[in-house]
Amino acid sequence: DQQVKQNSPSLSVQEGRISILNCDYTNSMFDYFLWYKKYPAEGPTFLISISSIKDKNEDGRFTVFLNKSAKHLSLHIVPSQPGDSAVYFCAARRYNFNKFYFGSGTKLNVKP
Amino acid sequence: EAQVTQNPRYLITVTGKKLTVTCSQNMNHEYMSWYRQDPGLGLRQIYYSMNVEVTDKGDVPEGYKVSRKEKRNFPLILESPSPNQTSLYFCASSLIDSQAPLHFGNGTRLTVT
Repeated sequence: DQQVKQNSPSLSVQEGRISILNCDYTNSMFDYFLWYKKYPAEGPTFLISISSIKDKNEDGRFTVFLNKSAKHLSLHIVPSQPGDSAVYFCAARRYNFNKFYFGSGTKLNVKP
Repeated sequence: EAQVTQNPRYLITVTGKKLTVTCSQNMNHEYMSWYRQDPGLGLRQIYYSMNVEVTDKGDVPEGYKVSRKEKRNFPLILESPSPNQTSLYFCASSLIDSQAPLHFGNGTRLTVT
């Protein structure tokens, strides 16, 4: 039973517009959430994270929003660039447990 | 350069022939883990290690073995590979810290015929 779900396998966005990637989780004990980006033939690379005590974290063009009551996480990329085209994984971790739960990924295509 | 190194990148083998995928990290991380990635299933944890000589099963440990004799190395062993172990494998490491992200290797594409 997947505790972290990404229900959109793919997303296509025009360059310069906003990309919004979504993630839902079921375990209310998760307290640390992350987004990873993966290019073909490479391993996932850490992008941005958020602690459960926050509802927003920004890093340049990337912002992660956390809605704990809805158990929902989203990643906003503004403005989107062709180089952002990749598979994005969300992940969650439970406090004091060294186990990360990953979603199935969303493939983002940013069209020039 | 801080990194997690896996070898080989690609491996084709036959059913039953023992193989080892190596993983090494140079960041002095206590925690290391192996994942497999399959279409529609995301990344699933196979085994993890909190420190030297300490290993534990993840979600899909059947058919795999690991060892952690040194802090930097965490090899994945398939004693008798089967076709359902055809997958993309990633090694990862991190500090033991509730706010520390995982760092991944570049992956090993394994095909078992």
